[in-house]
Amino acid sequence: ETGVTQTPRHLVMGMTNKKSLKCEQHLGHNAMYWYKQSAKKPLELMFVYSLEERVENNSVPSRFSPECPNSSHLFLHLHTLQPEDSALYLCASSQKAEDTQYFGPGTRLTVL
Amino acid sequence: QKEVEQNSGPLSVPEGAIASLNCTYSDRGSQSFFWYRQYSGKSPELIMSIYSNGDKEDGRFTAQLNKASQYVSLLIRDSQPSDSATYLCAHTTNQAGTALIFGKGTTLSVSS
Repeated sequence: ETGVTQTPRHLVMGMTNKKSLKCEQHLGHNAMYWYKQSAKKPLELMFVYSLEERVENNSVPSRFSPECPNSSHLFLHLHTLQPEDSALYLCASSQKAEDTQYFGPGTRLTVL
Repeated sequence: QKEVEQNSGPLSVPEGAIASLNCTYSDRGSQSFFWYRQYSGKSPELIMSIYSNGDKEDGRFTAQLNKASQYVSLLIRDSQPSDSATYLCAHTTNQAGTALIFGKGTTLSVSS
């Protein structure tokens, strides 16, 4: 256990559905991240939040919408996804944005 | 563009041998370096961090850093089948508030 939890662990959704992924960290960290990892591919950084403000957005499609209501919680809102969005979505946190990151267990997303 | 280069592998070693994983980076301002291990379908877990030139040992793992040559390596002594995983190299940048830069990972296979 790294102190970072993610729910749900598995999600299957249709292309017209709207769903949200949740991440919570119990480490007192100030930075949180969303990554996408497709099968047998490297990590792709999606969003970085530091002190609840978005500081990096790596050209992610607008069908992915992050929300960081406080330093312990991070959401990824999903709508009208495509089958190619099926992947493992990982949340991570760190004390500061440039520090060691600790990952949650991930959400395995399948878009039908 | 700041990059981290790793040989994707697979690197195959017999049980009990030393596995040597290498990583080069382009950002001369990088200060902190990390090795993560990722089992298939799981999230990355931090196994080593190194900040100064030289060697750092932790059990069967030794991280080596050479900032002048811009490389960092991970040696795994007495390799076990349970070490079979993808190993990700990561480093900080010299820009505060910027997330870690991850390599694409090297897949290690230890045969019994």
